[in-house]
Amino acid sequence: ETGVTQTPRHLVMGMTNKKSLKCEQHLGHNAMYWYKQSAKKPLELMFVYSLEERVENNSVPSRFSPECPNSSHLFLHLHTLQPEDSALYLCASSLGFVGVAPDTQYFGPGTRLTVL
Amino acid sequence: AQTVTQSQPEMSVQEAETVTLSCTYDTSESDYYLFWYKQPPSRQMILVIRQEAYKQQNATENRFSVNFQKAAKSFSLKISDSQLGDAAMYFCAYQGAQKLVFGQGTRLTINP
Repeated sequence: ETGVTQTPRHLVMGMTNKKSLKCEQHLGHNAMYWYKQSAKKPLELMFVYSLEERVENNSVPSRFSPECPNSSHLFLHLHTLQPEDSALYLCASSLGFVGVAPDTQYFGPGTRLTVL
Repeated sequence: AQTVTQSQPEMSVQEAETVTLSCTYDTSESDYYLFWYKQPPSRQMILVIRQEAYKQQNATENRFSVNFQKAAKSFSLKISDSQLGDAAMYFCAYQGAQKLVFGQGTRLTINP
């Protein structure tokens, strides 16, 4: 596969469930990102990893827990979510190191999450 | 903080015609990139075109071109020979040294 992939593409979970979203980039990039896209709201940056180190956490509730085991993989662990967490979760990657210079982010297809 | 404004929530165009989507931004940085991303119904965020601020020449990608007015902080997207597959949400975005900042988006409809 090429580019940025995300699994699953769709996820329905109850508020007491624990699930994980997976993102994988095949571009040799060094930075990875999680975004949340809710209806009628702009994209919200959730987490940023640069060389597997978290460099930004935009006041995201602790029920969202990111993990970046290596520069190609990024996970978002979900537990005790609320219905308002239902949204499209997008993963992106970029080549350069965050905070150094402008760069181009390439996005995955997203995971559509529904919390019942 | 950097901001991106798209003043056209919705636009429509006849197939094969040309349409221009507007975007303005605000920044005090001198080194940045500007982008147009397209998000079709599949919801995949697809990079359409990129403009580096240090380049005076407007970027072009096939039927897509930009009008980059740095002093006015304006960055419009022109789509020529519109096709049905161009129907999507279009987001203007700014990238400085830190975050990628998105505009609110413009929904483009193509009328056959």
